Amino acid sequence: AQTVTQSQPEMSVQEAETVTLSCTYDTSESDYYLFWYKQPPSRQMILVIRQEAYKQQNATENRFSVNFQKAAKSFSLKISDSQLGDAAMYFCAYRDYTGTASKLTFGTGTRLQVTL
Amino acid sequence: DADVTQTPRNRITKTGKRIMLECSQTKGHDRMYWYRQDPGLGLRLIYYSFDVKDINKGEISDGYSVSRQAQAKFSLSLESAIPNQTALYFCATSEGRGNYEQYFGPGTRLTVT
Repeated sequence: AQTVTQSQPEMSVQEAETVTLSCTYDTSESDYYLFWYKQPPSRQMILVIRQEAYKQQNATENRFSVNFQKAAKSFSLKISDSQLGDAAMYFCAYRDYTGTASKLTFGTGTRLQVTL
Repeated sequence: DADVTQTPRNRITKTGKRIMLECSQTKGHDRMYWYRQDPGLGLRLIYYSFDVKDINKGEISDGYSVSRQAQAKFSLSLESAIPNQTALYFCATSEGRGNYEQYFGPGTRLTVT
C-alpha cells in the first residue's frame, strides 16, 4: 500500500519570506499523481497544486511551486512571499494513475504559521 | 451555491445513537468519497462509490455504512455511534481517473459523548 509521510508537524515563516514543506511517499507504481491541499481554519480542503509523475517539469501555481524528485520519492512544496492567508494545515496526497478508484492517500499534515 | 454540500455541519450525539451524515453535489461527478480526519492522522478513506450501483470499502469502514441514493447523493451512517468516531468527516467528489481534482465539502464535525 502506498504511504505518504510529512515529517514536519509544524512550521513557521515570517511574512514575505519563503518556506518549504516536505513530503515523501512510498509506492511501487511508476505513474501516479501528487497533490498539495490546504486546509485553513474554515476547514475547507483547497487544492493548491498538482504534479503528474510522468512530467519532469516541476509544477508552479503563482507563489506555490513544488520540487518533485521521483527517484527519491520526494514532493516538497515551496511557498514564496508568504502571506498571512497562507496560514493553514497543508496535506500532501498521492493518487495512483492506473487505479480505477482514484483514491487519495494523505499524509498527516503540516501546520504552517505565518508571523509578522 | 457550493458544489458539494454536507449536512449537518456540526453534530453532537450520544453513544449508541444512530446518525446519518448527508452529502450532495451539483458537479455531475460519478465518483464520491467519504473521508475521516483526526488530529495527527490526516484524512483516511471510509467508503467510496463510482455510481449508484457501486460501493466500495476504504481503509477504515468498520462501524460505518453508506448509501448512494442517486448520482448526486451519498450518505454516511453510524449505526451505533461510539466516542472514538468523534472526528471531522468530509465528503468529496471526483470526475474520474487521472489528475482530476477531488472537490471536498465543508466537512461535518461530529462529537460522540
